[in-house]
Amino acid sequence: DSGVTQTPKHLITATGQRVTLRCSPRSGDLSVYWYQQSLDQGLQFLIQYYNGEERAKGNILERFSAQQFPDLHSELNLSSLELGDSALYFCASSVNSNNSPLHFGNGTRLTVT
Amino acid sequence: GQQVMQIPQYQHVQEGEDFTTYCNSSTTLSNIQWYKQRPGGHPVFLIQLVKSGEVKKQKRLTFQFGEAKKNSSLHITATQTTDVGTYFCAGPPTDKLIFGTGTRLQVFP
Repeated sequence: DSGVTQTPKHLITATGQRVTLRCSPRSGDLSVYWYQQSLDQGLQFLIQYYNGEERAKGNILERFSAQQFPDLHSELNLSSLELGDSALYFCASSVNSNNSPLHFGNGTRLTVT
Repeated sequence: GQQVMQIPQYQHVQEGEDFTTYCNSSTTLSNIQWYKQRPGGHPVFLIQLVKSGEVKKQKRLTFQFGEAKKNSSLHITATQTTDVGTYFCAGPPTDKLIFGTGTRLQVFP
């Protein structure tokens, strides 16, 4: 158990809809990262937060947004969903932003129909 | 942007054979991390290398960081079926942790 909690585990929704994925980092970790993993593909970096502030941005679509709240949990919002957004979305946390090891949650599997 | 490539993409070995995956970055890395993702699971941190030319061992696994800090390798001696999974390297030129393309290892008993 990595200590990182992601909900929900599975999400099935239709094109055009909006969903919110939630992540609670490991106790004591200040940094939260979001990654997208399409079927049998690598891990695409989306965005990173450190202690409530956006720290780094990857190839995150404009339809996607995220935030980290004062209690350090994070949410990833995906809107105007397309079939191609179907993927496994991982949240990871680390102690700080200085490249410490990442601890991943079990992921949210999003299926857009 | 930064790219981190791994070769090979897939590797099938007989149990007991050795396995090596190579990681190459287009930019110099401040450090490199290795992760393992079992089928159906999430990536799990294995090790971090920081110094140029650094070599670290974990039982049957040997990790190496290149002198120029742009490449790395993971070598598994005498693979076992428990080694099955995808191995990712990850490097941060800045605060982003960019993952390599991964090498999927299949071990046949």
